[in-house]
Amino acid sequence: GAVVSQHPSRVICKSGTSVKIECRSLDFQATTMFWYRQFPKKSLMLMATSNEGSKATYEQGVEKDKFLINHASLTLSTLTVTSAHPEDSSFYICSARGWGMGETQYFGPGTRLLVL
Amino acid sequence: AQTVTQSQPEMSVQEAETVTLSCTYDTSESDYYLFWYKQPPSRQMILVIRQEAYKQQNATENRFSVNFQKAAKSFSLKISDSQLGDAAMYFCACGTLWGDMRFGAGTRLTVKP
Repeated sequence: GAVVSQHPSRVICKSGTSVKIECRSLDFQATTMFWYRQFPKKSLMLMATSNEGSKATYEQGVEKDKFLINHASLTLSTLTVTSAHPEDSSFYICSARGWGMGETQYFGPGTRLLVL
Repeated sequence: AQTVTQSQPEMSVQEAETVTLSCTYDTSESDYYLFWYKQPPSRQMILVIRQEAYKQQNATENRFSVNFQKAAKSFSLKISDSQLGDAAMYFCACGTLWGDMRFGAGTRLTVKP
């Protein structure tokens, strides 16, 4: 149980284009989803927290207009990197937690983004 | 926000031996949770063990156990009978009721056959 998927697993795009990453909870309803960014050989940095049906809460220093987050249902959250630039290249990981699951976050497998 | 410190960038252990990974944290929250996650080369984050701060008893999960010292804000992970599959990056994390979780810098564990 508590499986989270992400799609795509890796994406290469040209500078200036937008990229959408999907995060799905497969066997539970995710009341809250989280988006993290991980640079090579570094730790995870929380970007934003999203609750189903409400606006995401962004961490300080994260551009809301750059990283659009939508949590339209209890099983799906999307992260859209708008007008991507090479410095946005990174590993993006989502996590989710649901009712009755305590405070544990279950992580997706991550998405590797490379912006050329 | 919470801060989490892992002072051991790398650790090494012989197969079948025991190793302890250190973690200290700081938080102003009275209710919080502590976690150890494992990240193998696949980069999938896997929950190893969790501890509720209000519980005094140390959590255990098979070969994994923690030494939770609340007053010292210390949360170390002990891996007994180490296996080759335990080799990975290990992240200590502190989370609140609201869900925001902060991770330490990680410890890379190597298991020698």
